[in-house]
Amino acid sequence: EAGVVQSPRYKIIEKKQPVAFWCNPISGHNTLYWYRQNLGQGPELLIRYENEEAVDDSQLPKDRFSAERLKGVDSTLKIQPAELGDSAVYLCASSLQNYEQYFGPGTRLTVT
Amino acid sequence: AQTVTQSQPEMSVQEAETVTLSCTYDTSESDYYLFWYKQPPSRQMILVIRQEAYKQQNATENRFSVNFQKAAKSFSLKISDSQLGDAAMYFCAYRAPQGGSEKLVFGKGMKLTVNP
Repeated sequence: EAGVVQSPRYKIIEKKQPVAFWCNPISGHNTLYWYRQNLGQGPELLIRYENEEAVDDSQLPKDRFSAERLKGVDSTLKIQPAELGDSAVYLCASSLQNYEQYFGPGTRLTVT
Repeated sequence: AQTVTQSQPEMSVQEAETVTLSCTYDTSESDYYLFWYKQPPSRQMILVIRQEAYKQQNATENRFSVNFQKAAKSFSLKISDSQLGDAAMYFCAYRAPQGGSEKLVFGKGMKLTVNP
Protein backbone atom coordinates (compact mmCIF):
# COMPACT_ATOMS: atom_id res chain seq x y z
CA GLU A 1 0.00 0.00 0.00
CA ALA A 2 1.42 3.37 -1.02
CA GLY A 3 1.74 5.96 1.72
CA VAL A 4 0.81 9.61 1.70
CA VAL A 5 2.63 11.38 -1.12
CA GLN A 6 3.60 15.03 -0.97
CA SER A 7 5.39 17.31 -3.40
CA PRO A 8 7.62 19.14 -3.60
CA ARG A 9 9.90 18.00 -0.77
CA TYR A 10 11.65 21.35 -0.64
CA LYS A 11 10.72 24.81 -1.82
CA ILE A 12 12.61 28.07 -1.56
CA ILE A 13 10.84 31.27 -2.56
CA GLU A 14 11.16 34.99 -2.00
CA LYS A 15 8.65 36.74 0.20
CA LYS A 16 5.50 37.95 -1.51
CA GLN A 17 5.68 35.11 -4.03
CA PRO A 18 2.97 32.43 -4.24
CA VAL A 19 3.60 28.77 -3.45
CA ALA A 20 1.54 25.59 -3.63
CA PHE A 21 1.89 22.18 -2.02
CA TRP A 22 0.28 18.99 -3.24
CA CYS A 23 -0.85 15.93 -1.30
CA ASN A 24 -2.12 12.55 -2.42
CA PRO A 25 -3.56 10.59 0.51
CA ILE A 26 -3.61 6.85 1.00
CA SER A 27 -6.14 5.29 -1.33
CA GLY A 28 -9.59 5.15 0.23
CA HIS A 29 -8.83 7.53 3.09
CA ASN A 30 -11.68 10.00 3.30
CA THR A 31 -10.14 12.34 5.85
CA LEU A 32 -7.22 14.57 4.94
CA TYR A 33 -5.28 16.94 7.18
CA TRP A 34 -2.77 19.72 6.58
CA TYR A 35 -0.44 20.52 9.47
CA ARG A 36 2.26 23.16 9.79
CA GLN A 37 5.36 22.41 11.85
CA ASN A 38 7.50 25.34 12.87
CA LEU A 39 11.12 24.75 13.82
CA GLY A 40 11.41 23.17 17.24
CA GLN A 41 7.67 22.66 17.59
CA GLY A 42 5.12 19.93 17.10
CA PRO A 43 2.78 20.05 14.11
CA GLU A 44 -0.35 22.20 14.33
CA LEU A 45 -3.49 21.58 12.32
CA LEU A 46 -4.29 24.06 9.56
CA ILE A 47 -7.29 22.37 7.95
CA ARG A 48 -9.13 19.05 7.94
CA TYR A 49 -11.24 17.66 5.10
CA GLU A 50 -13.93 15.03 5.23
CA ASN A 51 -14.16 14.02 1.60
CA GLU A 52 -14.48 17.32 -0.29
CA GLU A 53 -15.71 19.34 2.68
CA ALA A 54 -13.43 21.42 4.87
CA VAL A 55 -14.82 20.64 8.33
CA ASP A 56 -12.18 22.37 10.44
CA ASP A 57 -10.29 25.36 9.05
CA SER A 58 -10.29 27.46 12.18
CA GLN A 59 -6.47 27.65 12.28
CA LEU A 60 -6.01 28.48 8.60
CA PRO A 61 -4.88 32.10 8.03
CA LYS A 62 -7.52 32.80 5.43
CA ASP A 63 -6.10 36.11 4.27
CA ARG A 64 -3.22 34.37 2.54
CA PHE A 65 -3.80 30.63 2.78
CA SER A 66 -6.25 28.59 0.75
CA ALA A 67 -6.82 24.90 0.26
CA GLU A 68 -8.90 22.65 -1.89
CA ARG A 69 -9.65 18.99 -2.18
CA LEU A 70 -11.35 18.37 -5.46
CA LYS A 71 -13.18 15.07 -5.88
CA GLY A 72 -12.29 14.16 -2.30
CA VAL A 73 -8.87 12.76 -3.17
CA ASP A 74 -5.83 14.98 -3.83
CA SER A 75 -5.45 18.26 -2.04
CA THR A 76 -3.56 21.47 -2.68
CA LEU A 77 -2.52 24.04 -0.08
CA LYS A 78 -1.61 27.48 -1.37
CA ILE A 79 0.01 30.53 0.17
CA GLN A 80 -0.25 33.90 -1.57
CA PRO A 81 1.66 36.02 -0.84
CA ALA A 82 4.21 34.21 1.30
CA GLU A 83 5.77 35.90 4.31
CA LEU A 84 9.02 35.18 6.13
CA GLY A 85 7.07 33.66 9.02
CA ASP A 86 5.59 31.02 6.74
CA SER A 87 8.91 29.17 6.65
CA ALA A 88 8.07 25.77 8.11
CA VAL A 89 7.43 22.14 7.24
CA TYR A 90 3.97 21.49 5.83
CA LEU A 91 2.72 17.99 6.58
CA CYS A 92 -0.21 16.19 5.03
CA ALA A 93 -1.90 13.27 6.74
CA SER A 94 -4.85 11.01 5.98
CA SER A 95 -7.06 8.62 7.88
CA LEU A 96 -9.95 6.24 7.28
CA GLN A 97 -12.70 7.30 9.68
CA ASN A 98 -10.66 6.26 12.67
CA TYR A 99 -8.12 7.82 14.89
CA GLU A 100 -4.94 6.63 13.20
CA GLN A 101 -3.44 9.32 10.99
CA TYR A 102 -0.72 8.50 8.49
CA PHE A 103 1.66 11.27 7.55
CA GLY A 104 3.49 12.13 4.38
CA PRO A 105 7.15 13.21 4.27
CA GLY A 106 6.28 16.90 4.33
CA THR A 107 7.38 19.93 2.33
CA ARG A 108 10.06 22.16 3.81
CA LEU A 109 9.31 25.75 2.81
CA THR A 110 11.93 28.46 3.11
CA VAL A 111 10.86 32.04 2.49
CA THR A 112 13.73 34.49 1.95
CA ALA B 1 -8.36 23.46 25.25
CA GLN B 2 -6.26 20.37 25.40
CA THR B 3 -2.53 20.77 25.87
CA VAL B 4 0.37 18.35 25.71
CA THR B 5 3.65 18.99 27.53
CA GLN B 6 7.00 17.37 26.95
CA SER B 7 9.31 18.93 29.48
CA GLN B 8 12.56 17.28 28.39
CA PRO B 9 13.84 18.79 25.12
CA GLU B 10 16.66 16.28 24.74
CA MET B 11 17.78 12.92 26.07
CA SER B 12 20.51 10.46 25.28
CA VAL B 13 20.85 6.73 25.85
CA GLN B 14 23.48 4.12 25.27
CA GLU B 15 22.78 1.50 22.67
CA ALA B 16 21.02 -1.57 24.15
CA GLU B 17 19.91 0.32 27.25
CA THR B 18 16.45 1.52 28.27
CA VAL B 19 15.17 5.08 28.18
CA THR B 20 11.89 6.65 29.26
CA LEU B 21 10.37 9.72 27.62
CA SER B 22 7.85 11.69 29.64
CA CYS B 23 4.64 13.42 28.58
CA THR B 24 1.80 15.07 30.45
CA TYR B 25 -1.44 16.38 29.05
CA ASP B 26 -4.46 18.32 30.12
CA THR B 27 -8.03 17.54 29.16
CA SER B 28 -11.50 17.55 30.67
CA GLU B 29 -12.56 14.56 28.58
CA SER B 30 -12.80 11.09 30.07
CA ASP B 31 -12.33 9.25 26.81
CA TYR B 32 -9.57 10.12 24.36
CA TYR B 33 -6.54 8.71 22.57
CA LEU B 34 -2.85 9.23 23.16
CA PHE B 35 -0.01 8.60 20.74
CA TRP B 36 3.73 8.63 20.46
CA TYR B 37 5.12 9.57 17.07
CA LYS B 38 8.71 9.34 15.90
CA GLN B 39 10.12 11.86 13.42
CA PRO B 40 13.53 11.00 11.96
CA PRO B 41 15.51 13.54 9.91
CA SER B 42 13.48 12.48 6.88
CA ARG B 43 10.64 14.44 8.55
CA GLN B 44 7.98 11.76 8.16
CA MET B 45 5.92 11.29 11.32
CA ILE B 46 5.79 7.59 12.14
CA LEU B 47 3.30 6.20 14.63
CA VAL B 48 5.12 4.31 17.39
CA ILE B 49 2.32 3.38 19.75
CA ARG B 50 -1.21 4.40 20.73
CA GLN B 51 -3.28 4.14 23.88
CA GLU B 52 -7.04 4.39 24.31
CA ALA B 53 -7.91 6.15 27.57
CA TYR B 54 -10.68 3.66 28.42
CA LYS B 55 -8.19 0.79 28.44
CA GLN B 56 -6.46 0.19 31.73
CA GLN B 57 -3.83 -2.04 30.20
CA ASN B 58 -0.72 -0.24 29.00
CA ALA B 59 -0.01 -0.57 25.29
CA THR B 60 3.05 -2.46 24.10
CA GLU B 61 4.64 -2.72 20.66
CA ASN B 62 7.77 -4.86 20.63
CA ARG B 63 10.49 -2.79 22.33
CA PHE B 64 8.13 0.12 22.96
CA SER B 65 5.74 0.32 25.88
CA VAL B 66 3.84 3.05 27.66
CA ASN B 67 3.06 3.87 31.26
CA PHE B 68 -0.39 5.44 31.16
CA GLN B 69 -1.46 7.10 34.40
CA LYS B 70 -4.92 8.52 33.69
CA ALA B 71 -5.47 10.19 37.03
CA ALA B 72 -2.11 11.92 36.83
CA LYS B 73 -2.60 12.66 33.11
CA SER B 74 0.78 11.17 32.38
CA PHE B 75 1.79 9.13 29.34
CA SER B 76 5.43 8.05 29.23
CA LEU B 77 7.15 5.97 26.56
CA LYS B 78 9.73 3.35 27.43
CA ILE B 79 12.16 2.17 24.78
CA SER B 80 13.94 -1.05 25.68
CA ASP B 81 17.14 -2.34 24.07
CA SER B 82 17.68 1.02 22.33
CA GLN B 83 18.99 0.85 18.79
CA LEU B 84 20.81 3.41 16.68
CA GLY B 85 17.75 3.64 14.47
CA ASP B 86 15.69 4.88 17.41
CA ALA B 87 17.48 8.23 17.25
CA ALA B 88 14.87 10.81 16.25
CA MET B 89 12.48 13.45 17.53
CA TYR B 90 9.66 11.94 19.56
CA PHE B 91 6.30 13.63 19.85
CA CYS B 92 3.52 12.88 22.26
CA ALA B 93 0.04 13.61 20.89
CA TYR B 94 -3.55 13.75 22.11
CA ARG B 95 -6.74 13.21 20.16
CA ALA B 96 -10.28 13.87 21.29
CA PRO B 97 -12.80 11.02 21.34
CA GLN B 98 -14.54 9.91 18.15
CA GLY B 99 -17.09 12.43 17.02
CA GLY B 100 -15.16 15.37 18.36
CA SER B 101 -12.27 17.25 16.82
CA GLU B 102 -10.09 14.76 15.03
CA LYS B 103 -7.00 16.89 15.08
CA LEU B 104 -3.93 15.70 16.88
CA VAL B 105 -2.57 18.04 19.54
CA PHE B 106 1.19 17.59 19.75
CA GLY B 107 3.78 18.40 22.36
CA LYS B 108 6.94 20.27 21.39
CA GLY B 109 8.90 17.06 20.97
CA MET B 110 12.02 15.57 22.44
CA LYS B 111 15.26 14.77 20.64
CA LEU B 112 16.59 11.31 21.44
CA THR B 113 20.23 10.52 20.77
CA VAL B 114 21.45 6.93 20.85
CA ASN B 115 25.15 6.53 21.56
CA PRO B 116 26.98 3.47 20.19
